[in-house]
Amino acid sequence: DAGVTQSPTHLIKTRGQQVTLRCSPISGHKSVSWYQQVLGQGPQFIFQYYEKEERGRGNFPDRFSARQFPNYSSELNVNALLLGDSALYLCASSLASGGDTQYFGPGTRLTVL
Amino acid sequence: AQSVTQLDSHVSVSEGTPVLLRCNYSSSYSPSLFWYVQHPNKGLQLLLKYTSAATLVKGINGFEAEFKKSETSFHLTKPSAHMSDAAEYFCVVTEGRGSTLGRLYFGRGTQLTVWP
Repeated sequence: DAGVTQSPTHLIKTRGQQVTLRCSPISGHKSVSWYQQVLGQGPQFIFQYYEKEERGRGNFPDRFSARQFPNYSSELNVNALLLGDSALYLCASSLASGGDTQYFGPGTRLTVL
Repeated sequence: AQSVTQLDSHVSVSEGTPVLLRCNYSSSYSPSLFWYVQHPNKGLQLLLKYTSAATLVKGINGFEAEFKKSETSFHLTKPSAHMSDAAEYFCVVTEGRGSTLGRLYFGRGTQLTVWP
């Protein structure tokens, strides 16, 4: 079975632009979570979605938004990009939204110039 | 609230010697605990997880971790390091089963270097 997939792999944007990152979960998984990993730090929780509903949100500004589609894939949108948004964005999927194990994709490396 | 402290930012060992990566956690619930590994320019791979069954948890690639509630610790060990073990390791805590939110709380990571 395919693991979690993310696209694109790398992305370069300029300040003020908008970006959309995509994630496809493992088949059968209904929950998707997004994390931001800044260089040299552990990942920080952004969002969790389960059955197309937002189940949790981390301490990120409203410029960050996400949604989950009927096929359980997900998009993360970031508006008005700042230099500080440069990071590796990781998507994880799990069967449900509780303490189930989360399996991570390879990430999208976003660079904001 | 949940939090994780990884006590060493860097650990260096020689190939064939034991590995110890230390982790302390704080949790308001009966926690689930994980260790993930991240190789350069890669995503996170699950090494092992603790979910209130046996306190000694065996994972992939010869790694294991012991849950000690009295010490709030979940240290990762391996008897003999291999060059391929060189990577960043993250200790992670989340609320246990029954919680409706599976938010993961990551430590800052421990960079493991293995010398030949």
